[in-house]
Order: sequence, then C-alpha cells, then structure tokens
Amino acid sequence: EAQVTQNPRYLITVTGKKLTVTCSQNMNHEYMSWYRQDPGLGLRQIYYSMNVEVTDKGDVPEGYKVSRKEKRNFPLILESPSPNQTSLYFCATEGQGRNEQFFGPGTRLTVL
Amino acid sequence: KQEVTQIPAALSVPEGENLVLNCSFTDSAIYNLQWFRQDPGKGLTSLLLIQSSQREQTSGRLNASLDKSSGRSTLYIAASQPGDSATYLCAVTDSWGKLQFGAGTQVVVTP
Repeated sequence: EAQVTQNPRYLITVTGKKLTVTCSQNMNHEYMSWYRQDPGLGLRQIYYSMNVEVTDKGDVPEGYKVSRKEKRNFPLILESPSPNQTSLYFCATEGQGRNEQFFGPGTRLTVL
Repeated sequence: KQEVTQIPAALSVPEGENLVLNCSFTDSAIYNLQWFRQDPGKGLTSLLLIQSSQREQTSGRLNASLDKSSGRSTLYIAASQPGDSATYLCAVTDSWGKLQFGAGTQVVVTP
C-alpha cells in the first residue's frame, strides 16, 4: 500500500530539547516536503527536497533543519524547540508527472 | 506572490443538499489545482487534481471545475451526507512548482 508515515504522531516536549520527526515514503517519489498547520494561518511549507542531498527552504524555515540522505526518508529536526513551534506538522511527497501531493497523517507537537 | 482564498470559511447544510465550495487564486499561471479533505486532527486526503489544461474533473459525487483566466475553482459535492463533514482545502501549484494552500472551508452536514 502506497503511504507516507510519520513518527511520532504526538509529542510533548520542553523548550530547548532537540527532537526529530521522521517521515518515510514507499512510493519512490523524488520530491518531499514538510508543512506546519496553524489555526488561522493554514498550511505553510517549512522545507522541501527535490531529490537525495537536495534541500531548500520553504516559507517558514527558521528553527528547523532537514536532511535527505536517502530517497525514502526526510526527517525534520528541531535543534532547540520553542513554544512558537507548537503546531501540527505534515510530511508530503509528490508523484512524478501529475504533481499530485500525498500527505502523511500528521504529528502534533507541543513545546512547553 | 500567489494568494489562495476560500469562501465561505464555514458552511452548514442539511443532508441531501448539494455542496458548493469556492476557491480563488490571484495568479493564473498555475500548473495544477488540487482539492483535499481533512478530518479533525488528521492528515489531508487528495480528492481531485485538475491540470492547468483541464476544465474539470469528476470522481463519484464530486466534481471540480477550473477557470484559470478568472482564477477560480469550484468543488461540487452532490447529495451531501453526514460523512462529508470535514474541512475542504484547495491548493494550487504555481509555475515554480510551489504549492500554496487556501485556509479551507469547514463543512457540517446535518442529518
């Protein structure tokens, strides 16, 4: 079954404690991205990756890092989380040709 | 910068009525437009994808139209059911390949 998985699904942490949210896809898609969703602000892109070892900033990259060492995985790293990074995070992949986006189930992060 | 607007922000209809959801965008140079459904606290499910060269797409009770020149898309859901209650998001892929989302329309279908 084609899918995008994220872990963890829920996370409560404290300010400054480094964390990583993993994203994995089994569709062999080259393009992957991270979004955050906040009430009233909608979905905003954090980072994206066109292929292995190729990443670029989206609209709201501050406070985040990503890496793309292999095609199937695209982890999101928060080196020093702050309360304003409390949000619902989504990983997405894009299929070749039709540019259709496929989303993971989301990770709800709370930073105290 | 591309801006995507969805009106209304919320909509409540009785079961059986047809739903009409609107999406407008400011830059007509889009690559495609996609409609998504999101249930509370859940991920996004792709409903329909319309390429820029297409005028509409249909899937079951869902029909989406695209008018690039006027910067509009409409999602029609025929004979609504309580299970259609969700937030519906539209997103356009601009000519740079970047996806821009609208804020969504929250739909409630009452039995």
